[in-house]
Amino acid sequence: GAGVSQSPSNKVTEKGKDVELRCDPISGHTALYWYRQSLGQGLEFLIYFQGNSAPDKSGLPSDRFSAERTGGSVSTLTIQRTQQEDSAVYLCASSGRDRGGNQPQHFGDGTRLSIL
Amino acid sequence: DAKTTQPPSMDCAEGRAANLPCNHSTISGNEYVYWYRQIHSQGPQYIIHGLKNNETNEMASLIITEDRKSSTLILPHATLRDTAVYYCILISNFGNEKLTFGTGTRLTIIP
Repeated sequence: GAGVSQSPSNKVTEKGKDVELRCDPISGHTALYWYRQSLGQGLEFLIYFQGNSAPDKSGLPSDRFSAERTGGSVSTLTIQRTQQEDSAVYLCASSGRDRGGNQPQHFGDGTRLSIL
Repeated sequence: DAKTTQPPSMDCAEGRAANLPCNHSTISGNEYVYWYRQIHSQGPQYIIHGLKNNETNEMASLIITEDRKSSTLILPHATLRDTAVYYCILISNFGNEKLTFGTGTRLTIIP
């Protein structure tokens, strides 16, 4: 498909384990964003990539969270030593650029992470 | 402080036009009005955006008042699949924005 793809769609793991979430952005989109959404809560920004660089990591909640992007395409969000408060839906979005500025962010359907 | 205000909920009969209002009285000159929606268990879906002119695409129409202090999203022929929470947000075109959604409007399409 042509949209943002995230995997896995669901992940259940035990507290203390590490998890890796993957995002395949729309082809050609240079900007990539990670957000999370807790049950009944709004969108919480985590990190933003432009190409392979992350000029804004201000939303990462702790040093247990890290993300990387390679080849200006796929990104992975890694959570080490997971805690129960990490349970949420992790959303990825991507956007391109045109002469008029930034294009809209398009979202994947997220990874629902549950920490037991 | 919320930059946009929307009614918390609305109902619309299937097949009729759904008109969703949004107030943004403190909008800045470089801010666009964007609409997203989120259907249960899915990621947010981009619908439409505009600066000052009315816009139309395959999903919806966006009517922005001349003073830009309010706007209306119009779904011309609502279907049951349009049941979702609709978010009206302001985004500047001067950099990559961290999106923040307010509480939005929960639109229920009635059969």
